[in-house]
Amino acid sequence: EVQLVQSGAEVKKPGESLKISCKGSGYSFTSYWIGWVRQMPGKGLEWMGIIYPGDSDTRYSPSFQGQVTISADKSISTAYLQWSSLKASDTAMYYCARLPAGQQLVKNWFDPWGQGTLVTVSS
Amino acid sequence: QSVLTQPPSVSGAPGQRVTISCTGSSSNIGAGYDVHWYQQLPGTAPKLLIYGNSNRPSGVPDRFSGSKSGTSASLAITGLQAEDEADYYCQSYDSSLWVVFGGGTKLTVL
Repeated sequence: EVQLVQSGAEVKKPGESLKISCKGSGYSFTSYWIGWVRQMPGKGLEWMGIIYPGDSDTRYSPSFQGQVTISADKSISTAYLQWSSLKASDTAMYYCARLPAGQQLVKNWFDPWGQGTLVTVSS
Repeated sequence: QSVLTQPPSVSGAPGQRVTISCTGSSSNIGAGYDVHWYQQLPGTAPKLLIYGNSNRPSGVPDRFSGSKSGTSASLAITGLQAEDEADYYCQSYDSSLWVVFGGGTKLTVL
């Protein structure tokens, strides 16, 4: 069974750094894109970026470029989303999801999704 | 402002048919790129409902169907049930932005 398991909820202060994780299992981790999606409280889904663990090719949404860093460690089948200096506006649920239709982005979609990691940033 | 436009809410009585629209532009849906749909039940992660415009993953009831025409796509739900009450999102590829989502539609079962 293809599964993505995310790290647990985090409570941080503004200005702190954070790295959350997403561990894939049940498939060849290096052969599929993994994406990150933000959902702010009561709001819709926002695509943040994607990474292809096979060669670490990474693409960012213009809205998130420079705001976060996406990385992957293929030796442990894990993708990461990190912030160097959190803001209160980063408070949200963050989901990772696999793109199952191979290396081509054009025809791809998100499935399955991780369970989500809630990040709360408050002083 | 989402690149793909969905109605904020739709509603229907049990047993009825509802449709949710997803309108894009010439750089995404109108360029021929596929549309995918997700269902998000309250308090849970999104789940794939339709991929490649009209394909259902195994386990998704055939009450759910998708279609695409021109710069728009639609999700139809027939035989509405109480457990269909959820948020629904469309997603496509955009030639400038790569991945784009609709703003989401809240379905209320009356």
